[in-house]
Amino acid sequence: AQSVTQLGSHVSVSEGALVLLRCNYSSSVPPYLFWYVQYPNQGLQLLLKYTSAATLVKGINGFEAEFKKSETSFHLTKPSAHMSDAAEYFCASLTYSGAGSYQLTFGKGTKLSVIP
Amino acid sequence: GAVVSQHPSRVICKSGTSVKIECRSLDFQATTMFWYRQFPKQSLMLMATSNEGSKATYEQGVEKDKFLINHASLTLSTLTVTSAHPEDSSFYICSAREGQRDEQYFGPGTRLTVT
Repeated sequence: AQSVTQLGSHVSVSEGALVLLRCNYSSSVPPYLFWYVQYPNQGLQLLLKYTSAATLVKGINGFEAEFKKSETSFHLTKPSAHMSDAAEYFCASLTYSGAGSYQLTFGKGTKLSVIP
Repeated sequence: GAVVSQHPSRVICKSGTSVKIECRSLDFQATTMFWYRQFPKQSLMLMATSNEGSKATYEQGVEKDKFLINHASLTLSTLTVTSAHPEDSSFYICSAREGQRDEQYFGPGTRLTVT
């Protein structure tokens, strides 16, 4: 079964500091991977996705993530945190289960706090 | 593009009543729609997947008779929580996918509170 593990339910960084949110996946076949951001009482917004093309994926708001097959990781980074980055971040894995069906499996989420 | 709306954004209902939540794809045809449930400070849990014109496929542990899903058109899916109880209080999020694309587009969510 697919699983996505996000290390650290809560990460705090100072404004201007590097943001690193960790995500590891388990899959015998490299999946499609996504990072979503969720602001309070809102739905999910796609930050970026990996679909077996370039291993370094650039997303919106200055975020990027690198797919590392050897480490089964897809960590999210941003060089300089901004106050507006404070939110909940979810890593997700998409795998096809055949017959045109697939499932999106979410990690438990990491809440990012940015300290002024 | 790829906007998904949900209505209502918030609803409070009394225990024992039913509540309907609508999910609409505004600028694309959603051949598949998904319904998720999110408890406070937790991740999204897939409840069911629905394809237009067919019965929804429910995840294990989700009561079909309690959470009625209808996907009658390519732009609308509804989730009806029947005989709601306080433990059904949660944040319900829908998402939609067009054709065989790998990306799902999420609605803004509906906060359900059952008193």
